[in-house]
Amino acid sequence: ELKVEQNPLFLSMQEGKNYTIYCNYSTTSDRLYWYRQDPGKSLESLFVLLSNGAVKQEGRLMASLDTKARLSTLHITAAVHDLSATYFCAVDRALNQFYFGTGTSLTVIP
Amino acid sequence: GAGVSQSPRYKVAKRGQDVALRCDPISGHVSLFWYQQALGQGPEFLTYFQNEAQLDKSGLPSDRFFAERPEGSVSTLKIQRTQQEDSAVYLCASSSHRASYGYTFGSGTRLTVV
Repeated sequence: ELKVEQNPLFLSMQEGKNYTIYCNYSTTSDRLYWYRQDPGKSLESLFVLLSNGAVKQEGRLMASLDTKARLSTLHITAAVHDLSATYFCAVDRALNQFYFGTGTSLTVIP
Repeated sequence: GAGVSQSPRYKVAKRGQDVALRCDPISGHVSLFWYQQALGQGPEFLTYFQNEAQLDKSGLPSDRFFAERPEGSVSTLKIQRTQQEDSAVYLCASSSHRASYGYTFGSGTRLTVV
């Protein structure tokens, strides 16, 4: 069974600081996704990483994928309060089934 | 519609009651998925449809769970004889192709079994 682990599970950071969320997965996959979820809301797609070495950036968030290490990172630059949310990574197996990590709950403190 | 629509948003069921949860995917999306998200957890896969065909139902936790998509658009997830452990948010997602751009999720139905 494919396992997806994120760390940290909880992250409290000050505005303006940088931090990285890590996502490890247990078996081969070429596709990795990052989603954001606000409390009581659904999942919002942030990034789709389709190949080894892929790097995507949107605003203060940058995601990367190393398929050999089975590792993806989500880097936050100069955090702002609006980034407070829970972030999930997910891996897509060939049979159209996502395996989600447990999520990282991010709180940005003014 | 512009997004994936789910109804109802909230459902409270007495233990043993049957419930039906509805998902309206984005028009033209051939792939439809159901996920279950327990409190404080990541979503877990339940089942997958391509058009009207249910291609994978390996995530359905028991035979009390049943999903259908008879005309390849709207889907219904039915839970029979609900139990307290069924309390969760049920998310529906759709995609026009195999996840190249990620799936679009609905807002979910929060089911509470009392």
